[in-house]
Amino acid sequence: EPEVTQTPSHQVTQMGQEVILRCVPISNHLYFYWYRQILGQKVEFLVSFYNNEISEKSEIFDDQFSVERPDGSNFTLKIRSTKLEDSAMYFCASNAGGGRGSWSGANVLTFGAGSRLTVL
Amino acid sequence: AQSVAQPEDQVNVAEGNPLTVKCTYSVSGNPYLFWYVQYPNRGLQFLLKYITGDNLVKGSYGFEAEFNKSQTSFHLKKPSALVSDSALYFCAVRDSTGGGADGLTFGKGTHLIIQP
Repeated sequence: EPEVTQTPSHQVTQMGQEVILRCVPISNHLYFYWYRQILGQKVEFLVSFYNNEISEKSEIFDDQFSVERPDGSNFTLKIRSTKLEDSAMYFCASNAGGGRGSWSGANVLTFGAGSRLTVL
Repeated sequence: AQSVAQPEDQVNVAEGNPLTVKCTYSVSGNPYLFWYVQYPNRGLQFLLKYITGDNLVKGSYGFEAEFNKSQTSFHLKKPSALVSDSALYFCAVRDSTGGGADGLTFGKGTHLIIQP
């Protein structure tokens, strides 16, 4: 069964450092997402990406965050200058749907196993 | 704005007994509703979804959920619990008027513990 793969599984960094989290979505999927889960809290939407640009983003996704699909297979989340409160599990997800107003909203998101980020 | 409430942080059930994990939601339009399960050190795995049609939907591992529009609920159920069902369960909602780019809104999760 196709999987979404994420690397690294765990990263420890110092406050103020840049971090890049990597994801390889399922190959024929069109939508890509990042979510995060602070320990003991709910899973929160960060950003969605479609047709090589950001489609939607939440209030959490400020100027310190960016996403990129540099080579048609990888999907990365960059945090420019990490803060203590960025410590969380970050999940990548992908979705096969396409086009607003279609049934794409009903399509299932396939999630990766997550990357745990610890900011010291 | 859409939201999901999972009122129980933890549900304890004896193996072989039926289980229910509760979820209520709020959206402005019609909901697309999802249940995901998370095992330790694993990502979120899809269990089932409600889009339209029959209010009772069946999913993976013998789980089912009932959509109740009047009560805005989508409770997860299983007739006979297994110890291997022990995990963290998330309910999620998306407004049907949106598209694939819209983020899912998740509940805070419910720990399901099945006791042998």
